[in-house]
Amino acid sequence: SAVISQKPSRDICQRGTSLTIQCQVDSQVTMMFWYRQQPGQSLTLIATANQGSEATYESGFVIDKFPISRPNLTFSTLTVSNMSPEDSSIYLCSVPGQGTDTQYFGPGTRLTVL
Amino acid sequence: AQSVTQLDSQVPVFEEAPVELRCNYSSSVSVYLFWYVQYPNQGLQLLLKYLSGSTLVKGINGFEAEFNKSQTSFHLRKPSVHISDTAEYFCAVSYPNAGNMLTFGGGTRLMVKP
Repeated sequence: SAVISQKPSRDICQRGTSLTIQCQVDSQVTMMFWYRQQPGQSLTLIATANQGSEATYESGFVIDKFPISRPNLTFSTLTVSNMSPEDSSIYLCSVPGQGTDTQYFGPGTRLTVL
Repeated sequence: AQSVTQLDSQVPVFEEAPVELRCNYSSSVSVYLFWYVQYPNQGLQLLLKYLSGSTLVKGINGFEAEFNKSQTSFHLRKPSVHISDTAEYFCAVSYPNAGNMLTFGGGTRLMVKP
């Protein structure tokens, strides 16, 4: 399994500001995924981030709101832009296991927007 | 399109009692099936998975699940729960060779009471 870390683990932000979340993996992976878990709800895929190409966003998510960077095979960032209280969620990154069809998740970033 | 339904949003159970968390999926093609657990204030941890072969799969912490193709179900069971099993449990599916993208069910909160 992969070891995944995220920074920050939690943050409280003001409306209208932006927060960049970092995801670091201990091995090289082609694909990384970003999910959102709104309070009391399940996980929803935001986008798939492949190194060397633009991220692919799911329906309902746009690059202007959630820009993603993927500068190398072990790192990615997700920015939550122009935040509103509705963006209060846990944001998780995940990666596929080596040679498997399993995804492994980071510990998540708990974001509260006031 | 695939979808996942977890029929129970909450399951209260007494310690040392058996438990079954239900998961049904819909898909026109074969899928991979997963159960993840999320302990309070933590990320997601893989409990078990079904890719192929034996329909009864065993996971960590004494959990097991049975794949039933005719009923399109993948229910999670444990013969005797502990207080420490209190957590949110998510069923998920993915398509083989589709980049590991997961579709999650709504989650079931297992509450183990003394």
